[in-house]
Amino acid sequence: DTAVSQTPKYLVTQMGNDKSIKCEQNLGHDTMYWYKQDSKKFLKIMFSYNNKELIINETVPNRFSPKSPDKAHLNLHINSLELGDSAVYFCASSLEAGRGYTFGSGTRLTVV
Amino acid sequence: GENVEQHPSTLSVQEGDSAVIKCTYSDSASNYFPWYKQELGKGPQLIIDIRSNVGEKKDQRIAVTLNKTAKHFSLHITETQPEDSAVYFCAASGYTPNDMRFGAGTRLTVKP
Repeated sequence: DTAVSQTPKYLVTQMGNDKSIKCEQNLGHDTMYWYKQDSKKFLKIMFSYNNKELIINETVPNRFSPKSPDKAHLNLHINSLELGDSAVYFCASSLEAGRGYTFGSGTRLTVV
Repeated sequence: GENVEQHPSTLSVQEGDSAVIKCTYSDSASNYFPWYKQELGKGPQLIIDIRSNVGEKKDQRIAVTLNKTAKHFSLHITETQPEDSAVYFCAASGYTPNDMRFGAGTRLTVKP
């Protein structure tokens, strides 16, 4: 039973398209996150969501928007995809904000 | 904001030898220091963490040390095995969900 699950695992799409990545956690955690990992493996926070409070990293373009229908889900919607958006996106959750993250297995996004 | 530097970027050891990875951080308010292991095609997995009120923590072959005065912490893996081969990330965070910052990662290779 996967603790943090992301779908799809792979996503190939054309520039200009809009796409969504889904994330669900069954750990009962209160905080969820989205991270971007670039080709050099660097992990960068994009968003955190805790009890309806969204904290956005100021460097994230507004084409990216997280949507949380409930505490167990934090989906990532991306508008007008660009080549530079190609990366692996990781969802994570934690019981305590900023502590002990459990990561999903990632979604490799390729924009062509 | 927090800045975490990690060294070395790559590390190759013989099976059975020890491996040490070092990180430094800049924000004196940081009080939580986790280490993650990322295997190929998977998400980062928390392997050990330490809080600022503790100087050392050990879990079987893995240990982490923290020097708050010097603002650095290290991961020690003893009796390395080929399955320890992975990318290891250090991180540091304070009190808010979005201030967890990751190091750039160390690719550890354990040669049989």
